[in-house]
Amino acid sequence: GGIITQTPKFLIGQEGQKLTLKCQQNFNHDTMYWYRQDSGKGLRLIYYSITENDLQKGDLSEGYDASREKKSSFSLTVTSAQKNEMAVFLCASSIADREEQYFGPGTRLTVL
Amino acid sequence: AQSVTQPDARVTVSEGASLQLRCKYSYSGTPYLFWYVQYPRQGLQLLLKYYSGDPVVQGVNGFEAEFIKSNSSFHLRKASVHWSDSAVYFCAVSAHSNNRIFFGDGTQLVVKP
Repeated sequence: GGIITQTPKFLIGQEGQKLTLKCQQNFNHDTMYWYRQDSGKGLRLIYYSITENDLQKGDLSEGYDASREKKSSFSLTVTSAQKNEMAVFLCASSIADREEQYFGPGTRLTVL
Repeated sequence: AQSVTQPDARVTVSEGASLQLRCKYSYSGTPYLFWYVQYPRQGLQLLLKYYSGDPVVQGVNGFEAEFIKSNSSFHLRKASVHWSDSAVYFCAVSAHSNNRIFFGDGTQLVVKP
């Protein structure tokens, strides 16, 4: 088995601030994902990466950057936090890009 | 591109009753199909998946789902629900064409004692 760790669990920032969320997995999976989940809604894909140093834009990439410098870690940066993007950010990984995904517990973002 | 529709935003059932959560997908080929569950303040956990073969797949905790290609459906079923099954359930589909998984909006299941 393995685990996905997301840090921090809770992130509070000011409007306009640059904020970074981190994700680590020890499954040795190739593919990693970042999703945004607004309250009571489904998941929207922000970025994904099929291997180290690869980045692919999802449906909601505007306003975000991502970085995959190691196979085990995938970071997401909110370039300028806005109040309308308060949500839970979920990281996931999979052995290949169509296969089942394993999820972390999420980072809850609050923008003041 | 593929998509997933979960027509019921919220389903309420009594403990011990049977359950069906509906899912329809849009994709012309043969998809990979998934059901995930999300408990409060947690990430998603896989309940079951369909890749090929027997269209009825068994998952954890007594859940099963049936792939019906002619209807583009993958409904989730359970014979007898427990209060601990209260959660949000997501149906998802992936395809060869773009190597991604698309999620439905989820169905909130409330199990009444």
